[in-house]
Amino acid sequence: GAVVSQHPSRVICKSGTSVKIECRSLDFQATTMFWYRQFPKQSLMLMATSNEGSKATYEQGVEKDKFLINHASLTLSTLTVTSAHPEDSSFYICSATLQGSSTDTQYFGPGTRLTVL
Amino acid sequence: AQSVTQPDIHITVSEGASLELRCNYSYGATPYLFWYVQSPGQGLQLLLKYFSGDTLVQGIKGFEAEFKRSQSSFNLRKPSVHWSDAAEYFCAVAGRAGKSTFGDGTTLTVKP
Repeated sequence: GAVVSQHPSRVICKSGTSVKIECRSLDFQATTMFWYRQFPKQSLMLMATSNEGSKATYEQGVEKDKFLINHASLTLSTLTVTSAHPEDSSFYICSATLQGSSTDTQYFGPGTRLTVL
Repeated sequence: AQSVTQPDIHITVSEGASLELRCNYSYGATPYLFWYVQSPGQGLQLLLKYFSGDTLVQGIKGFEAEFKRSQSSFNLRKPSVHWSDAAEYFCAVAGRAGKSTFGDGTTLTVKP
């Protein structure tokens, strides 16, 4: 149980276009979803925390107008990279917290590799 | 503020040898501690976690970790490493609501 999926797994886009990444909790309802960014050979950096039905909370230094997060339901959160540029190329990983869990364990998606040409 | 330090950037061990990956954390209250493994181009897989209780935690794939409050450490161990264990390992600390801070990771290479 507690599976999180991401779609697409890989995306290549032209500079200036927008890209949407979906994060779904497949067999549980997620109270909270998190979006991370990971550069090659580096750790995960938290970008934002997303709660269903409310605005996302962004970490310091993350542009909320560039990285739009929508958490429309307890099983789906989307990250849209607007007007993408080559420096936005990265590995984006989402995670979801099991609703009602007393331990708040995060379950991670497999990640989305974004390449901006 | 919470933080995690993984002192070893890269570790190489021979197959069949024992392994210990170090993790030190900083957190104001009782921490939730995690170890994750990541294969190249993949997401993170949870190996084990500590919330409370027994300070020696057993995880998947034969891994275990020991929480030592006095040393602010949560080191990961495995008695006999397999070639398939080669990967990136991340230690993380979290407060309530699941917001996690990750260490920089340790790359494990396994020699035949």
